[in-house]
Parts: sequence; structure tokens; C-alpha cells
Amino acid sequence: EAEVAQSPRYKITEKSQAVAFWCDPISGHATLYWYRQILGQGPELLVQFQDESVVDDSQLPKDRFSAERLKGVDSTLKIQPAELGDSAMYLCASSPSSGAHHTQYFGPGTRLTVL
Amino acid sequence: SQQGEEDPQALSIQEGENATMNCSYKTSINNLQWYRQNSGRGLVHLILIRSNEREKHSGRLRVTLDTSKKSSSLLITASRAADTASYFCATDGQGGSEKLVFGKGTKLTVNP
Repeated sequence: EAEVAQSPRYKITEKSQAVAFWCDPISGHATLYWYRQILGQGPELLVQFQDESVVDDSQLPKDRFSAERLKGVDSTLKIQPAELGDSAMYLCASSPSSGAHHTQYFGPGTRLTVL
Repeated sequence: SQQGEEDPQALSIQEGENATMNCSYKTSINNLQWYRQNSGRGLVHLILIRSNEREKHSGRLRVTLDTSKKSSSLLITASRAADTASYFCATDGQGGSEKLVFGKGTKLTVNP
């Protein structure tokens, strides 16, 4: 069964350093999402792509976070510089098309710890 | 912002018992979904119920939706130790947006 791939699974970094996370969605899925999940909370949407275009990045802290999906397939989320409050699980999800009635398929996530 | 609020925050039951989790939300919605998350893993979609539906079943899962009370419940019957996980409701349609908004989740522990 096809899965969403994410790497790395775990990342420890010091504050002010740059970090990057990678996501490879299920083949053929046009919509890709990046979520941040703080311990004990539900996921919160950071950015949504439809193919290579950003559909929603209203909750993305654009002074330090950036995301791209250059060829409309895999995607990278970057944080520069990392802050202590960025410690969280970063989840990538994909769906066949946009629209919340579509099931979202989640990857295993990247656990980020900022020291 | 989080639209849904699950209740209880944590639930501990014995294998074989039923588990009921509730979700309340604040504004009108198009759909409500339930997801499951094993510790340290990604979320897995369980079931979607549309705003014009009142009840839906999938295996041992039963979901109800009461739009007049802005609430939903997830019932897991004959629970198993493998059902131990966090369960989240997610809604869309808040403010006309299709964005999924997740609640804080219910942590379910099923003791063997």
C-alpha cells in the first residue's frame, strides 16, 4: 500500500540553526499539506499545496518558515533560524485532490527538538 | 485555532468494553472526520460523516453527528488493546474554509 514518506524521522538542533524536512506524497496526489503538532495538541495546518502552487499558508510564520514543492511532487519545509518554541512533530499529508471531503493520508512525521 | 474539542481528554477501559469519545465544535461545518494516531506516529483516517448525515458505521466504529448541538461521538465497540491510541475529530467548513481543523484529541488506553 502506498504511503507518504518523510525524513528525517527525528531531528535535534540548536536554536538559531537551520533545519529542513522532506516529504514525498503518495504518487498521483495533487494536494500536499504540512502540519505542526505540539505535544498534547491536534495538528495545525501550516501550508497547503495544490500541485506546485501554495493554496493556504496563512498560518505559516513566514519570517522563519518556508515551504516549496517545485515540481509538484515532493516538498521541503525549512525553518531558519529555529527557535525553542518550534519543538514539535511536523506532519506531512497528501490527498488526491483539494477539498476537505477527501481523506488525507499522513506520513510518520518528523519529531523536531530545538535545544 | 482549534475548532473541535474532544471529551474526555483521556479514557482508560478494559479490553472488551465499549469506548465513547465526544467532539464539540463551534461553527457550522461541511464534514466531520475522525482520525487515529498511535504514539509518535502519523494520523490514520477512520471515518467521515457529512453534515446531512446523522450516523455512520465502519466495522466496530459508530459515529453520530448532531448538527443542532454541534457535536459528534465516536463509539468503538468491543475494544482491543490494539485500539490504544489518540483519537482526533477534524472539521471543515469553518468560515467557509475547506481547511481541516483538528481538536486536541482523546487519549484512549485499552488495558488487556
